[in-house]
Amino acid sequence: SQKIEQNSEALNIQEGKTATLTCNYTNYSPAYLQWYRQDPGRGPVFLLLIRENEKEKRKERLKVTFDTTLKQSLFHITASQPADSATYLCALHSNSGYALNFGKGTSLLVTP
Amino acid sequence: DAGVTQSPTHLIKTRGQQVTLRCSPKSGHDTVSWYQQALGQGPQFIFQYYEEEERQRGNFPDRFSGHQFPNYSSELNVNALLLGDSALYLCASSPLQGVGELFFGEGSRLTVL
Repeated sequence: SQKIEQNSEALNIQEGKTATLTCNYTNYSPAYLQWYRQDPGRGPVFLLLIRENEKEKRKERLKVTFDTTLKQSLFHITASQPADSATYLCALHSNSGYALNFGKGTSLLVTP
Repeated sequence: DAGVTQSPTHLIKTRGQQVTLRCSPKSGHDTVSWYQQALGQGPQFIFQYYEEEERQRGNFPDRFSGHQFPNYSSELNVNALLLGDSALYLCASSPLQGVGELFFGEGSRLTVL
């Protein structure tokens, strides 16, 4: 069956450090992978999309890598701030192409 | 430009009742997907509507049904509610027939007692 696995434990880091979140997947053949941010009680917000032929993508303090051989994506937030505290979700389209499936998410807490 | 809007924001029902949740997609978007998110879990895909047809369905029982109207708005209906149906129900729209990034509403929080 298709699986998307993210760090199950919450990640606590100090302000200014780099946060690195991991997304591993099995039985997907993704053309691209997406990352979303979700604040408590609110809907997810799209952050970045990376295609299979892109090794790395950046947006401001965010960086995403995508290794289709390892079946893994890494999501980095550099110079983290308390406002970055949220749950971050990794998402892949099902092999049928329509449904966007999400991982369980990783909770990030950035402390001053 | 209004984003995705959902109603109601919160509702409480009892077991066995039926509920209807509503969603208006972002302007210009033609595809609507519905998700269920239990506490501490990621969103689980329920189904997707495009051109007023259910195009793909996730692993949810027939108690979950939906509809898309000509103006692209959508409804999610859940019959014979169970305690386990308590969750945040999210609607998402997209402009590219469902491929690419999704734009989410703030969700409808359903509590079943």
